[in-house]
Amino acid sequence: AQTVTQSQPEMSVQEAETVTLSCTYDTSESDYYLFWYKQPPSRQMILVIRQEAYKQQNATENRFSVNFQKAAKSFSLKISDSQLGDAAMYFCAYRAFGNEKLTFGTGTRLTIIP
Amino acid sequence: EAGVTQFPSHSVIEKGQTVTLRCDPISGHDNLYWYRRVMGKEIKFLLHFVKESKQDESGMPNNRFLAERTGGTYSTLKVQPAELEDSGVYFCASSQAGTASFNYGYTFGSGTRLTVV
Repeated sequence: AQTVTQSQPEMSVQEAETVTLSCTYDTSESDYYLFWYKQPPSRQMILVIRQEAYKQQNATENRFSVNFQKAAKSFSLKISDSQLGDAAMYFCAYRAFGNEKLTFGTGTRLTIIP
Repeated sequence: EAGVTQFPSHSVIEKGQTVTLRCDPISGHDNLYWYRRVMGKEIKFLLHFVKESKQDESGMPNNRFLAERTGGTYSTLKVQPAELEDSGVYFCASSQAGTASFNYGYTFGSGTRLTVV
């Protein structure tokens, strides 16, 4: 069975600095998708960034980028120029190709220090 | 477009009572999912509807949980009778069919926080 591990229950970063959230996963599949979701205090989860496993190029969305290491099964999220609005729970998620189900990690609570 | 709507946002019930959670997906989304997060743990998949049919219900914890999706529109998740371990946040999500669900992502609701006392 696939598993997703987020080893950092909590992280904090100074405003305008850069922070990296870790995520590792375990799968025997060769084709899959990886996601980072953000859940602000208002509780609606929002998709931050996504990556297709067959693409070697790391996905980037404005201040958010990933470091995807397929061999190491690692999928970390880098947030540059952190802003107060980035404070949230961040969940890493996996989805096998052809399967609609998401497998989530336990989340990382990110605090932004003004 | 309207997002995924869930209600109630909070529910506090006594052990042994019944609670029904409702989810209204985005119009036109065939896929509807229920997930649950127990405090401090990962978000776990409960089940997946394609239109009105249950595609995958492998995550449903036991027969106290009953999910329905009337006419392929809104969905309800009933817990009867509720137990203490059912407490958590129940999320609903919807997506378009097939690979579009990757391209457009899932859209989640704000969740229902269920507390069983």
